[in-house]
Amino acid sequence: SQTIHQWPATLVQPVGSPLSLECTVEGTSNPNLYWYRQAAGRGLQLLFYSVGIGQISSEVPQNLSASRPQDRQFILSSKKLLLSDSGFYLCAWSPGQGNQETQYFGPGTRLLVL
Amino acid sequence: KQEVTQIPAALSVPEGENLVLNCSFTDSAIYNLQWFRQDPGKGLTSLLLIQSSQREQTSGRLNASLDKSSGRSTLYIAASQPGDSATYLCAVRWGSGYALNFGKGTSLLVTP
Repeated sequence: SQTIHQWPATLVQPVGSPLSLECTVEGTSNPNLYWYRQAAGRGLQLLFYSVGIGQISSEVPQNLSASRPQDRQFILSSKKLLLSDSGFYLCAWSPGQGNQETQYFGPGTRLLVL
Repeated sequence: KQEVTQIPAALSVPEGENLVLNCSFTDSAIYNLQWFRQDPGKGLTSLLLIQSSQREQTSGRLNASLDKSSGRSTLYIAASQPGDSATYLCAVRWGSGYALNFGKGTSLLVTP
């Protein structure tokens, strides 16, 4: 069976510090991978998606970036965090053959920027 | 602008009641619609996925319907239980894009 992992589970960082959140998927090959953010009082918003190694698409402009160094690894980064980056970050995957399939979500990382 | 709206934002019902959660979307040209459950501080669990060609999907006590022409979907929960307490999210995929567009959710509390 497939599983998706995210770490860390929670993170408290000062403004201006760097960020690295990691997501890995087990039990599948060539998945589509996604990063979402859930901010307080707002719905989930897609930040990045990837259909293959090194292929990253950004949905919204921001000071965050994503990378996919391996088939089942997706990393969300920032060089300098802003207060507005606080939120709940969710990684998700879906089968790579098409985009009609359901997306499966990880447990999330709660980020608080102070 | 393509938007997803969920009403009500919060709902409290006694155990055993049947209930309906509502989701509306502004553009009827959807690819599919998905209902998720989110427990506090946790990730999302997919409940039901309805393709644009389908009218409804059922899983156990859950039934989701889709009416594209009116831009609406409902999630029906039969015989509610305290374990059903969670936030329920509706998400729409438009066109051939990869993004799921989420509503803000309905927070459900089922009291014993």
